[in-house]
Amino acid sequence: QSVLTQPPSVSAAPGQKVTISCSGSTSNIGNHYVSWYHQVPGTAPKLLIYDNYKRPSEIPDRFSGSRSGTSASLGVTGLQAGDEADYYCAAWDDSLSGWVFGGGTKLTVL
Amino acid sequence: EVQLLESGGGLVQPGGSLRLSCAASGFMFVKYGMSWVRQAPGKGLEWVSSINIDGADTYYADSVKGRFTISRDNSKNTVDLQMNSLRVEDTALYYCATDPYGTRYFVGWGQGTLVTVSS
Repeated sequence: QSVLTQPPSVSAAPGQKVTISCSGSTSNIGNHYVSWYHQVPGTAPKLLIYDNYKRPSEIPDRFSGSRSGTSASLGVTGLQAGDEADYYCAAWDDSLSGWVFGGGTKLTVL
Repeated sequence: EVQLLESGGGLVQPGGSLRLSCAASGFMFVKYGMSWVRQAPGKGLEWVSSINIDGADTYYADSVKGRFTISRDNSKNTVDLQMNSLRVEDTALYYCATDPYGTRYFVGWGQGTLVTVSS
């Protein structure tokens, strides 16, 4: 059972939009930055969103992040087949004195 | 560009030991926190351990506390993970990751090294 809660899977058709939620608590998301990573099976995770909503320069603006209270969300618009991957949220946790990850969400482009 | 290269994985019997190493390049290693994150086969990401920029502060997941030790050598740009008393449930792909602020985000990841604990 992961400290951060994500839906196991989401899906949508090409060109559509999806949102992936990430629920935590005051010890993690409520007091620390949230980051998001995507992972194509068989490859290493890659930073997608940092500091709640910022994007590395190579990440297209189809990807967006937000945080409100103890929850965060990742939005992906204009879905493409290449967006199929596992997506993870993460944050530092004061109670555990360590990083916590969501269980991961598998994005399927129908 | 951040580059991280892990090594040291392999097959080990339960109760055995293994030492993982991560060689870093492409960034100012001495200014970045370093971590190990693992992924069991077919499972999600699990944080294992972190170390701050000068090695004075170390952090461990409860699942490995007392068995694993993280260390770094800023003269060689390396971070190690000494794993003792290994258990079957430690079987995973172990990633080295780096974060510029210690608690904000992992800007780079290695390709991972596989640890298999089995008799």
